[in-house]
Amino acid sequence: ETGVTQTPRHLVMGMTNKKSLKCEQHLGHNAMYWYKQSAKKPLELMFVYSLEERVENNSVPSRFSPECPNSSHLFLHLHTLQPEDSALYLCASSQDLGVFGNTIYFGEGSWLTVV
Amino acid sequence: GQQVMQIPQYQHVQEGEDFTTYCNSSTTLSNIQWYKQRPGGHPVFLIQLVKSGEVKKQKRLTFQFGEAKKNSSLHITATQTTDVGTYFCAGPRGSNSGYALNFGKGTSLLVTP
Repeated sequence: ETGVTQTPRHLVMGMTNKKSLKCEQHLGHNAMYWYKQSAKKPLELMFVYSLEERVENNSVPSRFSPECPNSSHLFLHLHTLQPEDSALYLCASSQDLGVFGNTIYFGEGSWLTVV
Repeated sequence: GQQVMQIPQYQHVQEGEDFTTYCNSSTTLSNIQWYKQRPGGHPVFLIQLVKSGEVKKQKRLTFQFGEAKKNSSLHITATQTTDVGTYFCAGPRGSNSGYALNFGKGTSLLVTP
């Protein structure tokens, strides 16, 4: 139990589908993240939220759309993805974005396969 | 922007041998963190180093932060099969958006009994 829960754990979707990944953290943290992990580019930072406000969008294509309705929940909405988007998507949280509060707690990840 | 680079990418050792992975940053870091990811698992925080020249130990693991705060190393003494996994270093991006972490590409350690 990591304190960060992701669903679904595995997802197979077609290129025309719309799906969402969900993340919930039970740690009382103020910052949440989406990371993408693939064989070619391990642990790419995608999005950063602090107190429900997006503070960083790391040049991610618009077919990935994050949503943070409150400090405990984070979604990643997926639309018209490409096969190269197949990867492990990791949600994470940290106490805050300060230099001493940025230790990251990862969820177990959502394995996404785009066919 | 700030980047962290790790070497080697892979390391295969016999059980009982030592192992070291190195991390270098393009800029001075306020702190550096190390994470371990077991095969099929997710990255788990190991340690944070803050001070110039800092050395911290966790049982057989020794972590060092360079004097210039631009490099770090993780050394494992007498590896065991439980040490198998990928070890990542991570440094704060230091952007206007706070100190979210940039991760290195990791060093994958394989330990043969």
